[in-house]
Amino acid sequence: GENVEQHPSTLSVQEGDSAVIKCTYSDSASNYFPWYKQELGKRPQLIIDIRSNVGEKKDQRIAVTLNKTAKHFSLHITETQPEDSAVYFCAAGGSQGNLIFGKGTKLSVKP
Amino acid sequence: DGGITQSPKYLFRKEGQNVTLSCEQNLNHDAMYWYRQDPGQGLRLIYYSQIVNDFQKGDIAEGYSVSREKKESFPLTVTSAQKNPTAFYLCASSMMTGRGNQPQHFGDGTRLSIL
Repeated sequence: GENVEQHPSTLSVQEGDSAVIKCTYSDSASNYFPWYKQELGKRPQLIIDIRSNVGEKKDQRIAVTLNKTAKHFSLHITETQPEDSAVYFCAAGGSQGNLIFGKGTKLSVKP
Repeated sequence: DGGITQSPKYLFRKEGQNVTLSCEQNLNHDAMYWYRQDPGQGLRLIYYSQIVNDFQKGDIAEGYSVSREKKESFPLTVTSAQKNPTAFYLCASSMMTGRGNQPQHFGDGTRLSIL
């Protein structure tokens, strides 16, 4: 079935450094790739998304890149801040209109 | 913020009991979804509905049931057949535009525990 692999499962960086989270997907028909940030005990919130007709998208300190040939996409956070600490989920649009989620990456930004 | 309201925030289930989790949205979204979240497992799809009076099973539908009688409401029942119901349950909704997947917006979740 459709699957999304996400790495790493945990990531610790120093404040000001960059963080990169990578995902691969199995369904070549997927054309929508959102990223969600979830703080402890709260709802996942969409932080950025990209469609398959675009290779890269940026929003301030956050960027997402997509390589359709290799079926992988990545989240890049620059100049990390302690408030970036959270669990980040990638997802790929499924053939039925649903989303297939990765298992998440717990990002810790140390002051 | 508003848009999707889940209730209750915390719920306790006794052995052999069915419990129902509420999800209401005022975003005029066509599609609604239920996910289960366990530590280290990410979000797993239980059921989803793209139109009133129709719904489809997700990856882990066994032991759960849903209904979609109104566009704005998509309640989830955790039945006694679900032997390990302790989890964080998230409801989401999205538009259906016919142009592929759309962003899903989540509620605040319901945390279900066994007594």
